[in-house]
Amino acid sequence: QKEVEQNSGPLSVPEGAIASLNCTYSDRGSQSFFWYRQYSGKSPELIMFIYSNGDKEDGRFTAQLNKASQYVSLLIRDSQPSDSATYLCAVGGSASKIIFGSGTRLSIRP
Amino acid sequence: NAGVTQTPKFQVLKTGQSMTLQCAQDMNHNSMYWYRQDPGMGLRLIYYSASEGTTDKGEVPNGYNVSRLNKREFSLRLESAAPSQTSVYFCASRITGSSSYEQYFGPGTRLTVT
Repeated sequence: QKEVEQNSGPLSVPEGAIASLNCTYSDRGSQSFFWYRQYSGKSPELIMFIYSNGDKEDGRFTAQLNKASQYVSLLIRDSQPSDSATYLCAVGGSASKIIFGSGTRLSIRP
Repeated sequence: NAGVTQTPKFQVLKTGQSMTLQCAQDMNHNSMYWYRQDPGMGLRLIYYSASEGTTDKGEVPNGYNVSRLNKREFSLRLESAAPSQTSVYFCASRITGSSSYEQYFGPGTRLTVT
């Protein structure tokens, strides 16, 4: 079992709708949770991080964390064609180790 | 500020050849990482270094060695390249001491082993 699991997609969402991306992790000691966006051929770039239970909002993006269920999600409101990318969930423990999921490909259709 | 730099950007090796991928950061970060990314896949951790003088194995360390030369530099060595090591290699760095600190990534090295 991978330490960090994501649905590979592709997830197709109409422009203007809400895109919902999910991630589960196996290490109960995990402390930090990150969402990165990666365009084809480019390096990952950070969108959100969260480390306490609940929701964290930044513009059109909301990260949700549920440590009891070992589940973290990313909501993208008012989806735009420029949001089409691969979204990577990353999880960090008490040490410096950070593990990524396999990523979810998101496609926003006009 | 150059951020995280990686050399080379592209490399083609024959099976059995060796090479070293170089990574340097100028942000005074404590932790550095090497990941590989295969087509359509996420990032898999090869090795990481929590601080100068320490290195630890990640998810896929076999066939690789690393050296944390100083605080700025973290190199990845392939002693005897195999076609299965064809991938894009990303180096990243991060401040430690707070769980919220993000990783900063280099531009990647595209390696092909024939």
